[in-house]
Amino acid sequence: DQQVKQNSPSLSVQEGRISILNCDYTNSMFDYFLWYKKYPAEGPTFLISISSIKDKNEDGRFTVFLNKSAKHLSLHIVPSQPGDSAVYFCAASGSARQLTFGSGTQLTVLP
Amino acid sequence: DAGVIQSPRHEVTEMGQEVTLRCKPISGHDYLFWYRQTMMRGLELLIYFNNNVPIDDSGMPEDRFSAKMPNASFSTLKIQPSEPRDSAVYFCASSQGLAGGGTLQETQYFGPGTRLLVL
Repeated sequence: DQQVKQNSPSLSVQEGRISILNCDYTNSMFDYFLWYKKYPAEGPTFLISISSIKDKNEDGRFTVFLNKSAKHLSLHIVPSQPGDSAVYFCAASGSARQLTFGSGTQLTVLP
Repeated sequence: DAGVIQSPRHEVTEMGQEVTLRCKPISGHDYLFWYRQTMMRGLELLIYFNNNVPIDDSGMPEDRFSAKMPNASFSTLKIQPSEPRDSAVYFCASSQGLAGGGTLQETQYFGPGTRLLVL
C-alpha cells in the first residue's frame, strides 16, 4: 500500500506558465515533506522541503504548499522553464526519519 | 567533492548469476541508503546504515539481497541469485543526518544509479 501517491504520471506546461505538481499521503504521522527532481541518467536531487508546522515554503521560483487536513501537498513552479523538465518525486518522513517516496511525475515544459 | 559514486553504471546479467553493486558515499556523511526504482513501485528504500551499521533492512525484498558496509567509504549491495524481476535502477544515497529538522545536514545526496537488467 503506497503511503505517498503522485496520481499524475505526467504533466505538460507551456514555458512561462505555472506548473503544479500534486502529492497525497495517507500516513498522518508524517511530519516532514520534500520534493526531489530527477534528470535522466542522474540521481534525484533535493529541491525543497516543508515541515508540518508550516503550510507554505518558498525558494525562488519554487513553492511548496501543505494542507494537513487534506493530507495533500503541492509544488508550484513559476515561471516554468524548459530546464525544469524532469521527473519530480514527492517524499515524506515520520518518526523513523526515513523517506517514503511517491512514484514520480514527469514534467515537460514546452518552449 | 565528487559526490556519491556508484559502479557499475549499467549491468546486464543472466538469471541465477550473482550481482554486486558498489557505492562510495560522500566523505563525512554518517548515513548511507540503498534505494530501488521500478515503474511499478517507484523509489523504495531497501536498507540504510548509520556509521557503517545496518539500522533498518525491512525494505530488502528477499534473502537473496544482502548489503554490507565494511568501512565509512564503501558499501555493496549483492543479489544472489539474481532474477528478472530484480531488473531496476538501484540508487545509493548518503547524508549527514536523518530527515526531519529542515537542515541541510539531513539532505540525502544520490548517486547516478546502477541500471540492472537480469535476462
